[in-house]
Amino acid sequence: AQSVTQLGSHVSVSEGALVLLRCNYSSSVPPYLFWYVQYPNQGLQLLLKYTSAATLVKGINGFEAEFKKSETSFHLTKPSAHMSDAAEYFCAVSDRGSSNTGKLIFGQGTTLQVKP
Amino acid sequence: DTGVSQNPRHKITKRGQNVTFRCDPISEHNRLYWYRQTLGQGPEFLTYFQNEAQLEKSRLLSDRFSAERPKGSFSTLEIQRTEQGDSAMYLCASPPPGGVNTEAFFGQGTRLTVV
Repeated sequence: AQSVTQLGSHVSVSEGALVLLRCNYSSSVPPYLFWYVQYPNQGLQLLLKYTSAATLVKGINGFEAEFKKSETSFHLTKPSAHMSDAAEYFCAVSDRGSSNTGKLIFGQGTTLQVKP
Repeated sequence: DTGVSQNPRHKITKRGQNVTFRCDPISEHNRLYWYRQTLGQGPEFLTYFQNEAQLEKSRLLSDRFSAERPKGSFSTLEIQRTEQGDSAMYLCASPPPGGVNTEAFFGQGTRLTVV
């Protein structure tokens, strides 16, 4: 079975500081991994995805993530935080198990707070 | 705007009442998923359609829940005899045609409050 663990339910950074949101996955097959962002009372918006091509993936709004198989990690980073980055972030893995339906298995989420 | 539309955006209902939500996916997307998200948690899978066929249902989907996708277009999710534990955000998602590596486009969700 596949799973995702996000370390840290809340992360607080100052505006202009580095953002690092941690995600570790468990999968018996090569995973497809996604980061989504959710603003209050909104749906989820895709930031970036890893589908076994380049291990360093660049997404929207200056975010990027690096797939590290040896560490089973897919951490999300941004060099300089903006106030508008304050939101909930979710790491997800696409189901490639026996059902192979492509449903997403999400982590618990990390709330990013950006302080002025 | 992702192109996936959900209605209503908010629904307040009394315990024991039935409610129905609607999702209109992007027209050429043949796969459709429903998820439930409770406060402070990540979305959890409920059910999956390929065209009009419901191919997978989560154990979270009790007998009080039913979903349909007539003609493979819009989908509805009905909850009968609502309970306070049903209060959540219900999200619909549709990925473009392709494999399981394609990203899902999410609607804005329907927030259900059972009082």
